Amino acid sequence: GNSVTQMEGPVTLSEEAFLTINCTYTATGYPSLFWYVQYPGEGLQLLLKATKADDKGSNKGFEATYRKETTSFHLEKGSVQVSDSAVYFCALSRYGNKLVFGAGTILRVKS
Amino acid sequence: GAVVSQHPSWVICKSGTSVKIECRSLDFQATTMFWYRQFPKQSLMLMATSNEGSKATYEQGVEKDKFLINHASLTLSTLTVTSAHPEDSSFYICSARDRLAGGFEQYFGPGTRLTVT
Repeated sequence: GNSVTQMEGPVTLSEEAFLTINCTYTATGYPSLFWYVQYPGEGLQLLLKATKADDKGSNKGFEATYRKETTSFHLEKGSVQVSDSAVYFCALSRYGNKLVFGAGTILRVKS
Repeated sequence: GAVVSQHPSWVICKSGTSVKIECRSLDFQATTMFWYRQFPKQSLMLMATSNEGSKATYEQGVEKDKFLINHASLTLSTLTVTSAHPEDSSFYICSARDRLAGGFEQYFGPGTRLTVT
């Protein structure tokens, strides 16, 4: 079946540090890939997405590239801020159907 | 745009009672809405997919008689937890897909925290 594996957290970084959150997936065919962010006390928000191999999704300084050869969609940001502290979920969807989420990674950024 | 609301944001009920949670798409029409459950420090698990005007499709292991879903209009879906028990305490989240926008993006509500005492 389809599944998503994320690196375990929490990840604790100092402000302006480089961020990588690993995400790999298992799926048949060519799923669409997503990163969602959940700020404390809020619902999930779509951060970025990619719908085909080699696509790069980007938003708010975050980037992720759809790598079919390694079945990965790692999230990166060059310089994190305290306001980036949140839970990040990697997810996939096939044919626009249900989303399959990874376990989520807590990010804590210290000033 | 693409705002989804949920009501209530939190609810406490006694064991054996039923609780209804509403999910509304405020500025778009949603032919499909999804209901998720999120346990503390865990990921979201899809409970069911709700299509306007038809019966919901439940995921394996989800009791359809316990978690009643109704999607009566293009902007409203409800989840009723019947005869709630403490193990039903959880964070329930809905999402909706914009009928006119095309694509596969889901917009999420802020969630409802249910505590059963």
